This record gives sequence, C-alpha cells and structure tokens, in this order.
Amino acid sequence: DAGVIQSPRHEVTEMGQEVTLRCKPISGHDYLFWYRQTMMRGLELLIYFNNNVPIDDSGMPEDRFSAKMPNASFSTLKIQPSEPRDSAVYFCASSLVGNSYNEQFFGPGTRLTVL
Amino acid sequence: EDQVTQSPEALRLQEGESSSLNCSYTVSGLRGLFWYRQDPGKGPEFLFTLYSAGEEKEKERLKATLTKKESFLHITAPKPEDSATYLCAVQWLRGTYKYIFGTGTRLKVLA
Repeated sequence: DAGVIQSPRHEVTEMGQEVTLRCKPISGHDYLFWYRQTMMRGLELLIYFNNNVPIDDSGMPEDRFSAKMPNASFSTLKIQPSEPRDSAVYFCASSLVGNSYNEQFFGPGTRLTVL
Repeated sequence: EDQVTQSPEALRLQEGESSSLNCSYTVSGLRGLFWYRQDPGKGPEFLFTLYSAGEEKEKERLKATLTKKESFLHITAPKPEDSATYLCAVQWLRGTYKYIFGTGTRLKVLA
C-alpha cells in the first residue's frame, strides 16, 4: 500500500491567497483526520471525518478554514484567505476503527509558508 | 480539562545510556494511549497502543508501560538511529476516535 498521500509537499503563498491542501487516505480506511503542527502548539486536530461525513470540526481555527471529503479516497483542506500565522505543517491521517491497534497512519505532511 | 503532558521536552543520551520518557494524562475514561515516533520532515509513525493499566508492549529497544495516570517509554541501550521526537496521544471513551497529542520529547542519542 502507498500509505497516506498528501500534496503538495511544500506550498509558499502570499497573504490573502487561497490555499488548497489535498489528501488521499489509505484504501479501506473509514476515518480521516486533518492536523496542524507548529513548534509553539504541537500537533493539533483540526477536523475529522467518518465515512466521508465531518464529525468534529471544533479544532478549525476560524471560518477561513474549510474541509471537504467528497468521496472515500479524497479530502481537501482549504484556507481562504491565508494569513502568515497559518504557516505550519499540515498532516492528514487515516485509520480503520476496529483494527487491532486502533492507530492512525500519517501522511508526509504539507509545509505551508504564508508570506 | 483533558490534558496530555510529556517530559522531558528534550533529552540527550550517550549511546548505550538507557532512560525513560514520561507521558501523563488527565483524560477521564481512557480508550487507548498511543506512542508515535516522528523524524524531521516526516509524519508521525506508530509504535504502540496501550489499553489498560499494567499493560506493556515491546519493540526492539523500546518498551512502553501504562498506569492509570501515566505512561513510560523506556529506551534500553539506545543507538543514534533512535534519535527522533517521541509523541504520545490519548483517545478517550466519550464516543469519539480523535487523539489529544502531547507536545513530544526530542531525543538525541550521541555516538
């Protein structure tokens, strides 16, 4: 299996621009999670989906952030408009609830820099 | 408030010098506690899941243990390739499958 795939790996944009991050979870997994990692705040959960339905978006910092999962093999996280404080590494993870270890599998991340 | 605290923030060991990392939590109703390893520029990689107090898991030089309030990751005779950030996360029983992550311990093992 290819694991969780994220694109792009690096994104540099200017303040005010729209940014779209993409994620392909592991086939067959029923949960998908979006995280943000910074030095100051560590790894924070933004939103997660179960069977393509958003379950908990309480971690989404503000209305500028939105996430969708149109099908089981694709999800997007959009920031519009972007601000310098959005600079971070964004991770997508997927899991199959009920497997032995209940672990989440993380993608390689997207490093976002907003100038 | 549910919290996960890891200590120390950073740790430098000589090769072969055993030590332990701590993860304490105040989650009420634990579903599971997870340990992950994260290398620079990569996503976290799963190591262990612990479900109940008294449980232990081992993998090579690593052993994870769990009590009712904390978990330890013991590293025996570490090697330079064990250098990484070690993250713990908890999942609680209140009907969700999300994690709360600690801020991690940055481990450096010197040759």
